[in-house]
Amino acid sequence: KNQVEQSPQSLIILEGKNCTLQCNYTVSPFSNLRWYKQDTGRGPVSLTIMTFSENTKSNGRYTATLDADTKQSSLHITASQLSDSASYICVVSEGGYNKLIFGAGTRLAVHP
Amino acid sequence: DVKVTQSSRYLVKRTGEKVFLECVQDMDHENMFWYRQDPGLGLRLIYFSYDVKMKEKGDIPEGYSVSREKKERFSLILESASTSQTSMYLCASSSDGASANYGYTFGSGTRLTVV
Repeated sequence: KNQVEQSPQSLIILEGKNCTLQCNYTVSPFSNLRWYKQDTGRGPVSLTIMTFSENTKSNGRYTATLDADTKQSSLHITASQLSDSASYICVVSEGGYNKLIFGAGTRLAVHP
Repeated sequence: DVKVTQSSRYLVKRTGEKVFLECVQDMDHENMFWYRQDPGLGLRLIYFSYDVKMKEKGDIPEGYSVSREKKERFSLILESASTSQTSMYLCASSSDGASANYGYTFGSGTRLTVV
């Protein structure tokens, strides 16, 4: 069964610190992997999209990595800010079926 | 700036009521999607549409129907609302389907409570 697993479920860090969120998937065939940020009570907003041939992509203080061999991705947040408090969702596109498989998300809280 | 607009942020409805959730996009996208999001679960696809008057069932279509009379508008209908349908509903649109490298654009969501 195609699945996307994220860890940890929740995370608390202090403002200014770095953190890394993990995503493991079993989706096959693979088309692309996306990371979204979702503020409480809002819709998800795209951070990065990576295809099979890309192993890293940055968007400001957010850097996503992809290892298609081990089917793992990570999202690294540098110098965290209070506004980074949100849920981060890993999404894998199932190639050929035009379908997205969503992880349950990691809830990040950045404290002053 | 591209936009997907959901008509209501919060809704409270009674059990058995017929409920309409509206979604409008201004990007001329062919593809539109309805998801529900529940705590601890990933987004689950209810219905999607690749063209006007076209609809396809997603993973959890039971208890829902959809309507797409115009390209920019995709409506989700709860024929007889139940408490199990209390959830966050998210609409999305895309130009090239789920495999597009341009990603989806999501609306802000409608939090529906059925009492």
